[in-house]
Amino acid sequence: KQEVTQIPAALSVPEGENLVLNCSFTDSAIYNLQWFRQDPGKGLTSLLLIQSSQREQTSGRLNASLDKSSGRSTLYIAASQPGDSATYLCAVGDNAGNMLTFGGGTRLMVKP
Amino acid sequence: KAGVTQTPRYLIKTRGQQVTLSCSPISGHRSVSWYQQTPGQGLQFLFEYFSETQRNKGNFPGRFSGRQFSNSRSEMNVSTLELGDSALYLCASSRIRSDTGELFFGEGSRLTVL
Repeated sequence: KQEVTQIPAALSVPEGENLVLNCSFTDSAIYNLQWFRQDPGKGLTSLLLIQSSQREQTSGRLNASLDKSSGRSTLYIAASQPGDSATYLCAVGDNAGNMLTFGGGTRLMVKP
Repeated sequence: KAGVTQTPRYLIKTRGQQVTLSCSPISGHRSVSWYQQTPGQGLQFLFEYFSETQRNKGNFPGRFSGRQFSNSRSEMNVSTLELGDSALYLCASSRIRSDTGELFFGEGSRLTVL
């Protein structure tokens, strides 16, 4: 059974800092890995999707990497802004269908 | 292009009642999946439908059921509601499995059971 862990559970940083969020998973037989953002009381916004054959994806100030062999992914946020404050969720897609296994999330606060 | 639409957004029920939630996927998306989000358990997979067939089911009791219509719209039903069913229910849609598999989520239906 796939298990996904995100560390840290919460993070508070001053504006402008570069930061890294970590995600680890137990079963390397994945289809893809997706990073989401969730604002309080809202749904999930897809940030980046990495296919199992890829090593990284970039979008603006965000960069996500994937190391299947070690069961790890990182989300790098450059020059953080207060608007980046949200919960960031990592989810692993399995090979059997459109089922995602989610980590517990990292709650990020960027202080002005 | 419209996103995933879920209705109702908020609802309050009492124990023992039943509830039906609706999800309209992004146009052209044929796969719809449902997730439950609670503070204690986080996000958990409920089930997935593709071409009106349930392809995958999570570890939830039989009180949780769903269906998909020919236009890809989906509904989920929870019968005999319990206090622990209070949660945010999220629907996600995607194109066919041979695509990237990227899931797009709706805003969710927040269910409160009293």
